[in-house]
Amino acid sequence: AQKVTQAQTEISVVEKEDVTLDCVYETRDTTYYLFWYKQPPSGELVFLIRRNSFDEQNEISGRYSWNFQKSTSSFNFTITASQVVDSAVYFCALSSFGGTSYGKLTFGQGTILTVHP
Amino acid sequence: DSGVTQTPKHLITATGQRVTLRCSPRSGDLSVYWYQQSLDQGLQFLIQYYNGEERAKGNILERFSAQQFPDLHSELNLSSLELGDSALYFCASSVDSRNNEQFFGPGTRLTVL
Repeated sequence: AQKVTQAQTEISVVEKEDVTLDCVYETRDTTYYLFWYKQPPSGELVFLIRRNSFDEQNEISGRYSWNFQKSTSSFNFTITASQVVDSAVYFCALSSFGGTSYGKLTFGQGTILTVHP
Repeated sequence: DSGVTQTPKHLITATGQRVTLRCSPRSGDLSVYWYQQSLDQGLQFLIQYYNGEERAKGNILERFSAQQFPDLHSELNLSSLELGDSALYFCASSVDSRNNEQFFGPGTRLTVL
């Protein structure tokens, strides 16, 4: 069975602080994808990144960066110089190939990030 | 805007009733996924269709059913509704069933009274 754990239920920071959202996953599959989605107060789910299990290179996109470590089954997300607009619920998700897992995303419980001005 | 559309945006109904939620995928996407988001269960995968055929099933109740039509739009039918079915229902689409870069619609908020 697949599982995604986001240990931080809520994080509160002040604008311009850096913040890291943790994600730990479990899967028996050797080929899988990891994702991060953002859910702002308006409710929609916004795709942020997809990373496959073969690629452990860290990725940076503007103020966002992701650290994938297969050895610790972690896929952490860092926001540098946070802004009020970053306030949202962030979900980490896992998708594998094969069996009944084929195609579906398994989501963590989400981390509520609040950035105060 | 993800390009995935869902209607209606809000739905309020009574226990025992039946409703239909509609989803149109992004242009070119063949795969459609349905997810339920509730306070109790979080975001749960319900079912996936690819080019009209059911591809994967998750925690979908027997009272729920879905289909994908030849024009690739999908409908999720919820019947004999219970209070616990109140949730946000998301549709997502992707180019194929393996690519898995899923783009989500705005969701339908269902309230069962």
